[in-house]
Formats: sequence, C-alpha cells, structure tokens
Amino acid sequence: DFQMTQSPSTLSASVGDRVTITCRASQSVSAWLAWYQQKPGKAPKLLIYKASSLESGVPSRFSGSGSGTEFTLTISSLQPDDFATYYCQLYDSYSGTFGQGTKVEIK
Amino acid sequence: EVQLVESGGGLIQPGGSLRLSCAASEFTGRNNYMSWVRQAPGKGLEWVSIIYSGGTTYYADSVKGRFTISRDTSKNTVYLQLNSLRAEDTAVYYCARDRRDDYGDYHGMDVWGQGTTVTVSS
Repeated sequence: DFQMTQSPSTLSASVGDRVTITCRASQSVSAWLAWYQQKPGKAPKLLIYKASSLESGVPSRFSGSGSGTEFTLTISSLQPDDFATYYCQLYDSYSGTFGQGTKVEIK
Repeated sequence: EVQLVESGGGLIQPGGSLRLSCAASEFTGRNNYMSWVRQAPGKGLEWVSIIYSGGTTYYADSVKGRFTISRDTSKNTVYLQLNSLRAEDTAVYYCARDRRDDYGDYHGMDVWGQGTTVTVSS
C-alpha cells in the first residue's frame, strides 16, 4: 500500500494570495489523483481530477499539476469563499487513499 | 443531475451492526462505481469501500472482514453493512459516485450525499 503525505497541514493566507498545497506519494503512482474542497459540516466538493483537469463549474483560479510522486494544487488568487480544508486523493484500482488535509485559514 | 441520499446511521453499541443505505436519483451511464468515505469527528477523510458496476468490491484494511458493500440496481441503492463495530468506526459516512470515462480512468468522486452519522458507544 502506498501513503499520501499532504503539506502543509495548516496554511494562513490573505485574500489575493497565491496558495500552493502539495501531496507526495510514497511511490510513483498513476495520474488518478483528485483534489477536493471541504467546508465545515458539508460534503467534499471535487475540484481537480486526473491531476490537472478542472472540474466543470470550478473557478479557473484553481489548478492542479504534477506526476509520479509529487502533485500540487494551486489557488492563484485566494478568495473569501476559498477558506476551507483541501484534500488530495489517489485511486489505484483497489483503494482511494486521501491525504491528511490542508486547512486554509485567514491570516 | 444525480443526487445521493444516505440513511441508516445512529447510535450503536460496540460489537453491534448497522446497515447504511445510499439512494441515488438515477444510475446513469455504463460505469456506475460507488464508494463510501467516512470522516471521524474532527478528522480527515478516509476511503472505506467501492463497488464497481460489475459488482467487484474493495475495502480499506481498517474495515476488511467487518464491512460489506452491495448494491440493488433495481432500487438505485448502494448499501454498506457494518458489523463488529468499534468506537473508532464512529464517523460521518458519505456515499459518493466515482466518475469514470469510457476507458475506466478515474475522474474523482463528483457527486456526494449529505452523510449519515454513526456513533459507536456504550
């Protein structure tokens, strides 16, 4: 089984900041990586799939990149609605492992 | 648009059993893969199980042998049978649709239910 290490666990930022969250896999993996946003008391929302494909309806300030063992979620200009917790998830045909999550807080 | 509604959660004693249901407004397309994901209080997301459109199932090691996923296509419903429950199974349980393309490539969980809460306590 592989492990997904997400960093940082908490990130303090201001509106307008560029924000980057990283997920590292314990071994080289396929590009079946997704990113989700979750707000308190709500179900997660899909943002990015296949590492870099933007889900329909998601603002273009969100982008994903990476391959192999390192993947990145970038928010180009943080908006008030973006303060939330973000998770990466890798699916490998047998299981779907989530990262530990990154809470984006207001600085 | 597909909607998912979970039910069946509640308070249960350690060692007990529950069956969670996830009713879908429709199952569309050839690739109907459905997953369960849980979230313990104040914790992150944990993938639990998946059922493929053909019936193949997989489980997280933490629930293997205790939980069983199944589906009733005629009712557009997916189930998660929880047996031998432990305190650490306490969580909100979400069902979600795994979206796949025609090649079977994973496109993320694009539709989620609102969650049902399972509390394991004496």
